[in-house]
Amino acid sequence: QVQLVQSGAEVKKPGSSVKVSCKTSGGTFSSYAINWVRQAPGQGLEWLGGIIPMFATANYAQNFQGRVTITADKSTSTAYMELSSLRLEDTAVYYCARDQGVQGVFASWGQGTRVTVSS
Amino acid sequence: DIQMTQSPSTLSASVGARVTITCRASHSISSWVAWYQQKPGKAPNLLIFKASSLESGVPSRFSGSGSGTEFTLTISSLQPDDFATYYCQQYNIDPWTFGQGTKVEIK
Repeated sequence: QVQLVQSGAEVKKPGSSVKVSCKTSGGTFSSYAINWVRQAPGQGLEWLGGIIPMFATANYAQNFQGRVTITADKSTSTAYMELSSLRLEDTAVYYCARDQGVQGVFASWGQGTRVTVSS
Repeated sequence: DIQMTQSPSTLSASVGARVTITCRASHSISSWVAWYQQKPGKAPNLLIFKASSLESGVPSRFSGSGSGTEFTLTISSLQPDDFATYYCQQYNIDPWTFGQGTKVEIK
């Protein structure tokens, strides 16, 4: 049973950065992509990017290119998502989600991390 | 980017009803569609992948169909636990994109 446990809620100022962690257990960490998906209050789901830890190269959605950095630490089976130059509209719940084995199918999810950007 | 458009946005139905949600893609995506269920305050849960394959552990009252640009999620007999928001998602070409969601409410 794969489990993903994310770090706790964050409150940030506009212009600052936030780094969210996602620790996985119960499966093979390196072989499956870890993705990051966010959900603004009352809104739908938006994919930010993902990484396959074995290859250590991340893939980002164009909308977040240059502002998001996704990394993975194989020694601790933990993935990270850092979002910089935060804006009020980045207020959202950020989820990590692991691929099923097919890229883009999100079979296991973290519990979500609420990031609030407020001046 | 491939746009995914769901209809309806909200659906009111009674327990035991047959429910169908439609998702249209802006370009052909073969069968590379997944469906998720999300309850308030919770992470989404994978129901269907590759348009019609049921994820392990998901009740058989859920089914999916379609290919190309038009897809459907059907709940054959709505149960109290099924009142939630449902999202389609394409994984044919990145960025992976989601529909805007369909909220299934109690009638």
